[in-house]
Amino acid sequence: DQQVKQNSPSLSVQEGRISILNCDYTNSMFDYFLWYKKYPAEGPTFLISISSIKDKNEDGRFTVFLNKSAKHLSLHIVPSQPGDSAVYFCAAKGGGADGLTFGKGTHLIIQP
Amino acid sequence: AAGVIQSPRHLIKEKRETATLKCYPIPRHDTVYWYQQGPGQDPQFLISFYEKMQSDKGSIPDRFSAQQFSDYHSELNMSSLELGDSALYFCASSRAETTDTQYFGPGTRLTVL
Repeated sequence: DQQVKQNSPSLSVQEGRISILNCDYTNSMFDYFLWYKKYPAEGPTFLISISSIKDKNEDGRFTVFLNKSAKHLSLHIVPSQPGDSAVYFCAAKGGGADGLTFGKGTHLIIQP
Repeated sequence: AAGVIQSPRHLIKEKRETATLKCYPIPRHDTVYWYQQGPGQDPQFLISFYEKMQSDKGSIPDRFSAQQFSDYHSELNMSSLELGDSALYFCASSRAETTDTQYFGPGTRLTVL
């Protein structure tokens, strides 16, 4: 059973516009949610995280929104740049040294 | 800034052989995690260690074992390798105070022939 779901395998956005990547989860015990950017054959690069007690976290062009009642989070990238083209993974974890549970990823394509 | 170091970067083994993957966490990070990513799959958590003690366990096969040493580096030992073990193996590290963030290494690509 997939506890973290990214229902859009791919997303195409024009350069300069907003990219919105969505993620749903089923386990209400998750304490933290993270977004990673990944290129083929490389390790995931941490982008931004949010605690389950917050509803928004912002870092530069990246903002993550958490809706606990809907068990939904989203990553906003504004403005989108060509270098943002990659696979984006949503991940969730409990407290302490718990491992991450990943979604299947969304391939973001930024078009010039 | 220093990142997570993994060695080797590439490894080719035959079926039924053993393999050892090494991970050196970011300096002052005391927690390490191991993940396996098969072709076209999302990373799957295997196991984690905090202060040399196993902390959390995921879908790690019984043929695999891991440990964390006094200098905080970790090794993943894989025995009786199977074709299905061919994957990218990632190590990640974090500090106990900020376990909401895990930083990943570049991965070791294991190919079992």
